[in-house]
Amino acid sequence: GEDVEQSLFLSVREGDSSVINCTYTDSSSTYLYWYKQEPGAGLQLLTYIFSNMDMKQDQRLTVLLNKKDKHLSLRIADTQTGDSAIYFCAEAGRRALTFGSGTRLQVQP
Amino acid sequence: ETGVTQTPRHLVMGMTNKKSLKCEQHLGHNAMYWYKQSAKKPLELMFVYNFKEQTENNSVPSRFSPECPNSSHLFLHLHTLQPEDSALYLCASRPTDTSYEQYFGPGTRLTVT
Repeated sequence: GEDVEQSLFLSVREGDSSVINCTYTDSSSTYLYWYKQEPGAGLQLLTYIFSNMDMKQDQRLTVLLNKKDKHLSLRIADTQTGDSAIYFCAEAGRRALTFGSGTRLQVQP
Repeated sequence: ETGVTQTPRHLVMGMTNKKSLKCEQHLGHNAMYWYKQSAKKPLELMFVYNFKEQTENNSVPSRFSPECPNSSHLFLHLHTLQPEDSALYLCASRPTDTSYEQYFGPGTRLTVT
């Protein structure tokens, strides 16, 4: 079945880069997504990558996709305290989006 | 993304109460979803509606009853809930059959006492 896994927690210092990793099992995934959830809020779509791409950059965000290893990562450059949140990766499989359990990013000033 | 709204934002109800959660999207999307998010579990897909028709029920107990009167509105009717049903209930919508990204509302924080 479809499964998406993420590490639960990441702590970085303000100004450093953050790298959040995700692995998935469904090789038929067409799109992969990154969502951000701030406390008390819903999920905000941050960025996505099509499965035939290996990299996508959007301002401070860089998404890397290794389709062979089914590994997705989100790099946030110059991490700010406002980036503190839970980050979910999701893959678009046959049913609907399948979400990972989320990585809590803590940014220390 | 402010196109998906949910009311109420917070709800406290007893186990014998009946209440409803409402979701409304102003984005012209054709698919709508209910998810449950609890502290112990990742996002759990509950129901999927496409063009007002329910296309997926992810083994959700019958004490949760969805209703989709049109493509813009989605309800979740609640009755005789259990304390373990306390969670954040998120609604999402999706543009078309050919795109997969979903846009989420802010959620309803439900507490069952």
